Amino acid sequence: GAGVSQSPSNKVTEKGKDVELRCDPISGHTALYWYRQSLGQGLEFLIYFQGNSAPDKSGLPSDRFSAERTGGSVSTLTIQRTQQEDSAVYLCASRGTSGRYEQYFGPGTRLTVT
Amino acid sequence: EDQVTQSPEALRLQEGESSSLNCSYTVSGLRGLFWYRQDPGKGPEFLFTLYSAGEEKEKERLKATLTKKESFLHITAPKPEDSATYLCAVQGMDSNYQLIWGAGTKLIIKP
Repeated sequence: GAGVSQSPSNKVTEKGKDVELRCDPISGHTALYWYRQSLGQGLEFLIYFQGNSAPDKSGLPSDRFSAERTGGSVSTLTIQRTQQEDSAVYLCASRGTSGRYEQYFGPGTRLTVT
Repeated sequence: EDQVTQSPEALRLQEGESSSLNCSYTVSGLRGLFWYRQDPGKGPEFLFTLYSAGEEKEKERLKATLTKKESFLHITAPKPEDSATYLCAVQGMDSNYQLIWGAGTKLIIKP
């Protein structure tokens, strides 16, 4: 079946502009994660959604970052007033609820703030 | 504090030269340990989940093993296409969704 998809694959934006990144999880997966990966660095947890429960936003680095998940499926990560330090690859992952804990990742969105 | 340490940071091997990557972890009760492969410009690709000490899993030239303190990813007779960054992550019993990620080992296989 189809995997996790993300769009756009690349985004170049000017400092101060807002950006929206989209994630379409694997069909039927109720858990969805956003991560940030800076060049040569590990994965930094941003936010977690599970079904209709309140999301865990503990990893969001500032109030410029927000995310929503509509209808328990597609998710959008929004970064307002982008800064150069926001440049990174933003990864989305989804996970099923069959008792297995592995996450399946999308290809990522490479964000460059100029 | 829960943590995951991967070593070495980078490993260069000749094609056919077998070796192992290490993932040491500290967690209050292990729910699962995960290995992923990440190619440049792509998202991590799931390889294995290990749940308990003594467990082993294999896929082609890769074999993952688990003890109470660490996991090894053994690569037998690697090929250049095995070149990638290998990531390890653990999930502790105190969380039903958060993973703790290692920084990865960059593996380069020279023909």
